[in-house]
Amino acid sequence: ETGVTQTPRHLVMGMTNKKSLKCEQHLGHNAMYWYKQSAKKPLELMFVYSLEERVENNSVPSRFSPECPNSSHLFLHLHTLQPEDSALYLCASSQWIEGNEKLFFGSGTQLSVL
Amino acid sequence: DQQVKQNSPSLSVQEGRISILNCDYTNSMFDYFLWYKKYPAEGPTFLISISSIKDKNEDGRFTVFLNKSAKHLSLHIVPSQPGDSAVYFCAGSNFGNEKLTFGTGTRLTIIP
Repeated sequence: ETGVTQTPRHLVMGMTNKKSLKCEQHLGHNAMYWYKQSAKKPLELMFVYSLEERVENNSVPSRFSPECPNSSHLFLHLHTLQPEDSALYLCASSQWIEGNEKLFFGSGTQLSVL
Repeated sequence: DQQVKQNSPSLSVQEGRISILNCDYTNSMFDYFLWYKKYPAEGPTFLISISSIKDKNEDGRFTVFLNKSAKHLSLHIVPSQPGDSAVYFCAGSNFGNEKLTFGTGTRLTIIP
């Protein structure tokens, strides 16, 4: 148990569906992240929130929309996805300080887009 | 352009022997490196890190070596145990930047 909880664990959706991924951290961290892991590719940073403000948007298509209502919760809203968006979506949190932070990851949501 | 490369997608090692996982990087601005370990159906977990001011960091059975001139780091696990079977990700970053750049991972299998 890393202190970062993601739901759902698995999600199958059609290209016209709208769904949301949820992440909650119980570590008192002030930064949260969305990463994407596709087969045989590096973990790709999608979004970073620090103190509930988005500080990084790594050229992610607008069909992915993040939301960070407070320092403990992070959402990823999905709309009109493509089959190539099928991947493992990982949430992470860290303590934002000057320097290098360790990331604490959730177990991920395995997303399949049909 | 992949800034962090793990050229071996998989590695098999006999239990009790040394496992050596390699990682190369191209970004000369990186000054901090981390190794994460990932079991199936779980998120990656932090294993060990090293700052560029050091060339070695040890934590129990795990040692990370950094060769800055070669832009190469390696993770040594000795002795290897069956519970070490997992995917290992190398990551780099530069000071003050929270963004970690990950490699593609190496799947380590420890053979009993």
